[in-house]
Amino acid sequence: SQQGEEDPQALSIQEGENATMNCSYKTSINNLQWYRQNSGRGLVHLILIRSNEREKHSGRLRVTLDTSKKSSSLLITASRAADTASYFCATNNFNKFYFGSGTKLNVKP
Amino acid sequence: DAGVTQSPTHLIKTRGQQVTLRCSPKSGHDTVSWYQQALGQGPQFIFQYYEEEERQRGNFPDRFSGHQFPNYSSELNVNALLLGDSALYLCASSLDPRGQGYFGPGTRLTVT
Repeated sequence: SQQGEEDPQALSIQEGENATMNCSYKTSINNLQWYRQNSGRGLVHLILIRSNEREKHSGRLRVTLDTSKKSSSLLITASRAADTASYFCATNNFNKFYFGSGTKLNVKP
Repeated sequence: DAGVTQSPTHLIKTRGQQVTLRCSPKSGHDTVSWYQQALGQGPQFIFQYYEEEERQRGNFPDRFSGHQFPNYSSELNVNALLLGDSALYLCASSLDPRGQGYFGPGTRLTVT
C-alpha cells in the first residue's frame, strides 16, 4: 500500500500536555499534509509541508518531515479539550493523495 | 466565501441501485478530488478531476465514475451498489492538483 500510516492509533492526554503523532509512508512524495476530523465529519486542513522542507510551524502545531526515513511527525503543544479529534496524514505523490488510518486524540479536561 | 459544499447530506439506497453525489468546489478552485471513508478508516482516494477530465484514479472499480462541469462542480456516480459501498463520501477542492485540499462535510451513503 502507498498509504501513510499514523502511530499511535490512539492517544489520551491531559489538557495542557503536548501530543505527538507520527506518520510513515512508502513512496516518494511531492508534499505531505495533516488533517483533523471531528466525529466523522469533513476534514480540516492543518498544515502542508513540501518535500524540500524539514520543519514547519503553525500556531501550536509543529510538523517535521524526514524524507530519508519517509516519516513525518505532528506536535500539538499545550493541548486543549477542543483538540480532541482524529488526525490524518496525507501524502501527495504526483497528484494521488493517500491517507493513513489516523490517530485518535483524546484530550481530557 | 462559501467553502466546499456537498449534496445530499445523507442517502439511503438499496443494493443494486445507482447513486449520484454532487460537489461544488470552493470559489476559484478548479481541481476536485473524491474520497471514500469507511467507518474507522482513513479516506481512500477515488479519483481527481481537473479541466473536466479525470486526471488520477485510485484503486476503485469502474462502477465508480465521475464528471466535472465547466463551472468546476463535480458528480460522483456509483452503479450497482454493494453493501460495502456504505461510507462517508468526501469531496475536496484545490487551486491546483498538488495543492492543499479543502474538504466538504461529506455525504453519508448507506446501502441496505
